[in-house]
Amino acid sequence: AQSVTQLDSQVPVFEEAPVELRCNYSSSVSVYLFWYVQYPNQGLQLLLKYLSGSTLVKGINGFEAEFNKSQTSFHLRKPSVHISDTAEYFCAVSLTGGGNKLTFGTGTQLKVEL
Amino acid sequence: DADVTQTPRNRITKTGKRIMLECSQTKGHDRMYWYRQDPGLGLRLIYYSFDVKDINKGEISDGYSVSRQAQAKFSLSLESAIPNQTALYFCATQRGARTDTQYFGPGTRLTVL
Repeated sequence: AQSVTQLDSQVPVFEEAPVELRCNYSSSVSVYLFWYVQYPNQGLQLLLKYLSGSTLVKGINGFEAEFNKSQTSFHLRKPSVHISDTAEYFCAVSLTGGGNKLTFGTGTQLKVEL
Repeated sequence: DADVTQTPRNRITKTGKRIMLECSQTKGHDRMYWYRQDPGLGLRLIYYSFDVKDINKGEISDGYSVSRQAQAKFSLSLESAIPNQTALYFCATQRGARTDTQYFGPGTRLTVL
């Protein structure tokens, strides 16, 4: 079975600073990887996803993530954050073959401060 | 209008009561999901449905049941609510492949006293 670990439950950062949100996964087979964002009092929406090909994936709102198979990681980065990026971010994984479940991490709360 | 709607948005109920949460979508997607979100636990899958006749249990289905009344409607029921079912519940839809994006509703905040 697959699993996702988001080690940082909260990440405080000042506006215009860079940020990295960490995600590691565990699976014995190939996976698809996703980052979702949840703004306050809203449902989740997709930021970006890695299916195959280039390991650097660009998403909405200036975010990008890099798939690293050897380190089983899919860290999310943004070079300069804005107050509006304050939200909870979820990493998720699904298997490429067999099974259809999307497994979520426990989430990282990004708080952008002035 | 929102593509995925959930009703009610907030609900307070008492232990032992039956409650139904409803989800409707206008995206025309075949796949629908119910998740619950608890602080520090992320989202966990309760039930999912790939079409009207295909319903599957997720990782935490005990105490819940579902009904797929039509392609556009997927309801979650708590037959006899208990306090540890207090959570934020999300419905999501997906077109037809595991690589497709899941689209989430705004959530229902359920409190069981």
